[in-house]
Amino acid sequence: EVQLVESGGGLVQPGRSLRLSCAASGFTFDDYAMHWVRQAPGKGLEWVSGISWNSGSIGYADSVKGRFTISRDNAKNSLYLQMNSLRAEDTALYYCATSIFGVVRNAFDIWGQGTMVTVSS
Amino acid sequence: EIVMTQSPATLSVSPGERATLSCRASQSVSSNLAWYQQKPGQAPRLLIYGASTRATGIPARFSGSGSGTEFTLTISSLQSEDFAVYYCQQYNNWPPATFGQGTKLEIK
Repeated sequence: EVQLVESGGGLVQPGRSLRLSCAASGFTFDDYAMHWVRQAPGKGLEWVSGISWNSGSIGYADSVKGRFTISRDNAKNSLYLQMNSLRAEDTALYYCATSIFGVVRNAFDIWGQGTMVTVSS
Repeated sequence: EIVMTQSPATLSVSPGERATLSCRASQSVSSNLAWYQQKPGQAPRLLIYGASTRATGIPARFSGSGSGTEFTLTISSLQSEDFAVYYCQQYNNWPPATFGQGTKLEIK
């Protein structure tokens, strides 16, 4: 079964850090580009970051650039999002997702169920 | 950054009728446009990519059209399970991959 499982979310104080993980199974992970997408409570979808299969192409939304770092470990079938200097506006459900046909510049066809990050004092 | 604008914000339609959702890009995205469906408490589901290609397992009642800056998602005969929020997304000018603000399709 093709599956993405996010973990690492939780309650964190403003200015602190958190690292999210996304474990992939059921497909050849290193054939696919990956993305993080977030959704604040009651709001729409916001793309956060994406990474190509070999980490050669990486992109970030302006809202997180310089604070968040995306990475992957193909040997572990895992995607990561290191989030530093967290702000209240980073509070959201964070999804990981794959790009169809493995291309980073494409639609997102497989999604996890998300991990919730709450930034509050 | 390309801004995606969806209309209307809420659409009320009766089961069995046709629904037409619109998405406009602030500049051309060619055909690099996707549509997603999201139900409460669930992750988004890809419906359409390349503006008009249905994703695997998506029923034929869902169709997408358009190119450049104007796009449409049509649901030909609404079923009860189709009432949800729909998002368009451009991936032509990546990064970023920007989403529209969503259209809520509700039962009339």
